[in-house]
Amino acid sequence: ETGVTQTPRHLVMGMTNKKSLKCEQHLGHNAMYWYKQSAKKPLELMFVYNFKEQTENNSVPSRFSPECPNSSHLFLHLHTLQPEDSALYLCASSQEGPAGGPETQYFGPGTRLLVL
Amino acid sequence: GQNIDQPTEMTATEGAIVQINCTYQTSGFNGLFWYQQHAGEAPTFLSYNVLDGLEEKGRFSSFLSRSKGYSYLLLKELQMKDSASYLCAVRDSNYQLIWGAGTKLIIKP
Repeated sequence: ETGVTQTPRHLVMGMTNKKSLKCEQHLGHNAMYWYKQSAKKPLELMFVYNFKEQTENNSVPSRFSPECPNSSHLFLHLHTLQPEDSALYLCASSQEGPAGGPETQYFGPGTRLLVL
Repeated sequence: GQNIDQPTEMTATEGAIVQINCTYQTSGFNGLFWYQQHAGEAPTFLSYNVLDGLEEKGRFSSFLSRSKGYSYLLLKELQMKDSASYLCAVRDSNYQLIWGAGTKLIIKP
């Protein structure tokens, strides 16, 4: 039990659908992250939120839209996705450390997304 | 560019010892992490090294040499449940995590 939950765990959607992924952290952290994990590739950082403010957007296509209503919840809104977007989407959270940078990240179980 | 290299796959025998290597080239260094990820599950934090040397935590140890841009994760007394992917990640000068592609460890009886 890592204290970070994600729903749904599995999602199949067509290219014209709109869906949302949800992440909730129960660790009292102030930073949350979305990652994309494809087979045999490094984790790709998509978005970072610190204190609900987006601080990182790593050239992610606009068909992915994040939302962070508070420091415990993070959403990833999906629309008009492509088959190559099929992957495991991981949420993580961390606390800002004494040096000003994020400390250890704790991950949720991920949402396995398949785009048909 | 920034790069993390680790072997794609390794095989070891139950009860034995295995060493998983990680080499890195990053813009600055603010620590190195090892995570374990079982198939279909979340990556879970194993260890953190920021100074040179060996950090031991039960059956798992992690070593760091900053001058060589090198780390390894040592797993002793291997158990079947250790079959998983092991991810190496380095925090650069901007406190961004740079991830390796992971090493899939297969344990055989």
